[in-house]
Order: sequence, then structure tokens, then C-alpha cells
Amino acid sequence: QVQLQESGPGLVKPSETLSLTCTVSGDSINNYYWNWIRQPPGKGLEWIGNIFYSGTTDYNPSLKSRVTILVDTSKNEFSLTLRSVTAADTAVYYCATSRVGAPYFDCWGQGTPVTVSS
Amino acid sequence: DIQMTQSPSSLSASVGDRVTITCRASQGISNSLAWYQQKPGKAPKLLLYAASRLQSGVPSRFTGSGSGADYTLTISSLQPEDFATYYCQHYYTPPRTFGQGTRLEIK
Repeated sequence: QVQLQESGPGLVKPSETLSLTCTVSGDSINNYYWNWIRQPPGKGLEWIGNIFYSGTTDYNPSLKSRVTILVDTSKNEFSLTLRSVTAADTAVYYCATSRVGAPYFDCWGQGTPVTVSS
Repeated sequence: DIQMTQSPSSLSASVGDRVTITCRASQGISNSLAWYQQKPGKAPKLLLYAASRLQSGVPSRFTGSGSGADYTLTISSLQPEDFATYYCQHYYTPPRTFGQGTRLEIK
């Protein structure tokens, strides 16, 4: 059973860059798509984007200009970079798996809260 | 983007009740629909996919149905652990989007 763990700063200043890492254990990073999803306080879920182990990415058009997702297969981890953040980017950020041919999210990390504030 | 609209936004029910949550897409999504359960402070948990297929380990009191643009999640007999927020999510075309959630509360 794959397990996911998010890590990164809990506080980011406006206009700066948010960087998070998701560490994968229990299975090879080569078997899944690796997703980032966020949830603002008291609100619903928003899919940010994903990456396949080959490096192929797919981003939500609403965030595409500010997002980069990378994978490091040697470390069994993948990362999220979100540039030029504002208070609207304050959220709990989750990493999650989806499988080839099954683009729903079957395994999730516990989530990491990120606050954008000066 | 395909918009997903859930109803009701919140619902009060008692243990043992049968409840139904509806999810409507802004266009037909050919059963490309998943349902999740989220408890406070926890990550969402996948319940069903392909509109009606139960994820491994999920109790059979959870059922999904629908077609085209309209789908439902039914819990046949509410258990105390079922009180949570439920989200639908389509995966018909990118970007995948979620409904706004239905909060299921104890009456």
C-alpha cells in the first residue's frame, strides 16, 4: 500500500514561491500519476496538477502559469512549486495518487497547511 | 471546465436513516465520476469510482448510480462514522473538478 507524506514550509510571504515535497513509500513511483490537490479553509477541493514518472505533466489551466510539478524517481518523491502566491493560495495542500486509466484519487497524504501572510 | 453541483449543501439525518446526495455535471460525463468522504482534519477518502463501483474496503451500504450528467450517492443505513462531508469529482476531461461538498450532520 503506497503511503504519501507532504512536507514544506507552513508560512509563505505574499509574492513569494510556495514549495512542497511529497515523499512516496510502499511502492514504486513509476506506477502512478502523482497529483497535488488543495483545499482552502472551510472550502472545497481544487486539483492543481499531476506528473507521471516519465515527467509528463498536466496542470489545471487556472493555475498553469504559476505551477511546476517535478518528479525525482531516485528519491521517490515529487514536488510542487507555486509562484507569486497571494492570500488566496492559503490552503491545505494534499498529494495523492491516481492510476493509468483511472484518473480519480485513490490514496492521499495527510495534507500540509500553508498560510500566505506577511 | 465542467462544473459539478451537489445538492443539498448540508443535510441532517439520524443513525439508521437512508440518505441520498445528488451531483449534477454541467454536461454529460459518461459515468466518469468518483465520490469521496472527508472527516474534519483528515484527507478525503475514495468511496466509489465509475459512478457505481465500490472502492476496496468501503462498506456496501454506500452505493452510487446515475448516468449522463446526473448522479447520486446513497447511504442505505447511516452509521455514526458516516457523518462527514461528501464530494463528487468528475474525470471526464481535464481539468478534473469537484463538487462543492455536502455536509452530513447528525440530527
